[in-house]
Amino acid sequence: EAQVTQNPRYLITVTGKKLTVTCSQNMNHEYMSWYRQDPGLGLRQIYYSMNVEVTDKGDVPEGYKVSRKEKRNFPLILESPSPNQTSLYFCASSFSLKGTEAFFGQGTRLTVV
Amino acid sequence: QKEVEQDPGPLSVPEGAIVSLNCTYSNSAFQYFMWYRQYSRKGPELLMYTYSSGNKEDGRFTAQVDKSSKYISLFIRDSQPSDSATYLCAMSGGGNKLVFGAGTILRVKS
Repeated sequence: EAQVTQNPRYLITVTGKKLTVTCSQNMNHEYMSWYRQDPGLGLRQIYYSMNVEVTDKGDVPEGYKVSRKEKRNFPLILESPSPNQTSLYFCASSFSLKGTEAFFGQGTRLTVV
Repeated sequence: QKEVEQDPGPLSVPEGAIVSLNCTYSNSAFQYFMWYRQYSRKGPELLMYTYSSGNKEDGRFTAQVDKSSKYISLFIRDSQPSDSATYLCAMSGGGNKLVFGAGTILRVKS
């Protein structure tokens, strides 16, 4: 089954404690991206990657890091989480390098206290 | 002003009604247009994808793009309770980024 898998689904952490949200896709897509979803603001792109070792900033990259060492994996790293990063996070992949027709993961609900 | 505007709703309709969901945008460079459906506690799933202006039909769903008015629509015929979800429009200018609307909550009452 084609899918994008994120872990964990739910996470509560404290301010400043580094965390990583993993994302893996099994569709051999070159394009992967991370979004955050907040009420009234919709989905906003954090980072995207068009291939291994190729990443670029989206609209809200501050406070986040990513890496793309393998085609299937695209982890999101919060080195020093803050309460304003409390949000619902989605990883997505696409066979199009434009990022269109994206497949989304199930989401990670992050709370930073 | 946001690049993509979408009425958040909620839009409540009786079962069997025709539903019209809309987005307006300001960036004339957008040429790829998508509609996603998102159920509660799930990730968005792609419903419709259109390039440039025109109509596209898939079963009970029809997507329309009017680039001259910077306006896109999604029509749902014979709406069902299972159509109750949040509908997100998304668009791209052919670069590498998608811009999403905030989403419209749809409730179909049986």
